[in-house]
Amino acid sequence: QKEVEQNSGPLSVPEGAIASLNCTYSDRGSQSFFWYRQYSGKSPELIMFIYSNGDKEDGRFTAQLNKASQYVSLLIRDSQPSDSATYLCAVNKAAGNKLTFGGGTRVLVKP
Amino acid sequence: EAQVTQNPRYLITVTGKKLTVTCSQNMNHEYMSWYRQDPGLGLRQIYYSMNVEVTDKGDVPEGYKVSRKEKRNFPLILESPSPNQTSLYFCASSFGTSGYNEQFFGPGTRLTVL
Repeated sequence: QKEVEQNSGPLSVPEGAIASLNCTYSDRGSQSFFWYRQYSGKSPELIMFIYSNGDKEDGRFTAQLNKASQYVSLLIRDSQPSDSATYLCAVNKAAGNKLTFGGGTRVLVKP
Repeated sequence: EAQVTQNPRYLITVTGKKLTVTCSQNMNHEYMSWYRQDPGLGLRQIYYSMNVEVTDKGDVPEGYKVSRKEKRNFPLILESPSPNQTSLYFCASSFGTSGYNEQFFGPGTRLTVL
C-alpha cells in the first residue's frame, strides 16, 4: 500500500463545474496536508494547506480533512480551463518536514 | 524576487561522467530538499538538510551526494551517473524545519543519462 494514494485520472470536468479530488494516506501520525498544482513540465506550486479536521476555503478552492478516515480532498468550484493540471496531495508529520507525495490526479477542464 | 533557482535546467550526459546540479534560495530558509519525479512514481525525496552542515537521506539516496556549506546553497552531486538516474529533479526549500512549513520548489532540472 502506498503511503499517499490518489486516483491518477484524468478527471474530466466541464467548464464551470465542480472538480472533486480525493487523497488517502496510511500514516496516522500525519499532521499537515498540502495540495500542490503542477502544470506539465513545471514545478509544483502550493494551492492550499490544512491541519485541522473540517473544511478550509480559499477562493474557488476548498480543502477537506478527515483524520479519522485518513482522507483529504480538494474541491475546485467554477472550474476554468486554466485549472487543467495535475494536482498533488502531500502529507507531513509535525516533526521532520518530510513531505510524502501522492502520484497526482490529472484534471482536464473542457470549455 | 523570492525564489529557488536551479542550474542547469536541462542536461544530457553520459554514464559515469560526474555532474553537479546547483540549487540556491534567496529566502533565508533553514530547510532544503531534493526530489526526483518519475512517471508513475511521483515525487520522491532524495536528500534533505535541516541547516548548514546538517544533511540526511530521503527515500532514494543511492547514487547521490549533497552538501550544505552555506545556508543558501544545496548542490546535488551525481558522482557516476547511470541511465536509471534519468529524471526530472526539483530542489525545494522552506522557512522552518517542522512539517507545518510550505515548501517552495525550484523550476526543475531535466536530466538525461545516456
